[in-house]
Amino acid sequence: DTGVSQDPRHKITKRGQNVTFRCDPISEHNRLYWYRQTLGQGPEFLTYFQNEAQLEKSRLLSDRFSAERPKGSFSTLEIQRTEQGDSAMYLCASSTGDGYTFGSGTRLTVV
Amino acid sequence: GENVEQHPSTLSVQEGDSAVIKCTYSDSASNYFPWYKQELGKRPQLIIDIRSNVGEKKDQRIAVTLNKTAKHFSLHITETQPEDSAVYFCAARGGYNKLIFGAGTRLAVHP
Repeated sequence: DTGVSQDPRHKITKRGQNVTFRCDPISEHNRLYWYRQTLGQGPEFLTYFQNEAQLEKSRLLSDRFSAERPKGSFSTLEIQRTEQGDSAMYLCASSTGDGYTFGSGTRLTVV
Repeated sequence: GENVEQHPSTLSVQEGDSAVIKCTYSDSASNYFPWYKQELGKRPQLIIDIRSNVGEKKDQRIAVTLNKTAKHFSLHITETQPEDSAVYFCAARGGYNKLIFGAGTRLAVHP
């Protein structure tokens, strides 16, 4: 297990399409986080899972966004009816306590 | 709400000089403050962190100081090298262990 994996690395989609991203955390990490990062900004919190339970969602996360973590292992983040404003880097991170380990992210471009 | 402010947004120094980046946070319950380095096109990586029960922590050329009363914390890099050039993010832990990030400081170290 070499770290947090995210797939795909890049995604280009047309406005209005649905997209799904996957995150595989470090296997012993029970905490999983999704963040969004736009150019020149720090990562913005989207949602948090402890094991399979989604414990917090940001107000940034509209109804078009949904995340799951079945069985407390990998997680998926789905964006329905994508908009140009959704273009960003979507980062996943996992931890057991304090520090996060980030994945390399999925860069989404909505055209 | 939870907020972290970071200054400056850009910092340019000569190789060998020191660099200081400052952050303030709003949530007085925050007790953990990590710093991340993000090189272009790469994931954020943890470089140093500090917990609220200590005032200073040092790791080779990097140090972090914390003033809980003023809700300030700072990153100090001494003897800067060109490979220190990157974007640095401070963060403070909020509710549910999520990290709230600053907007970042782009550090350029000129040979």
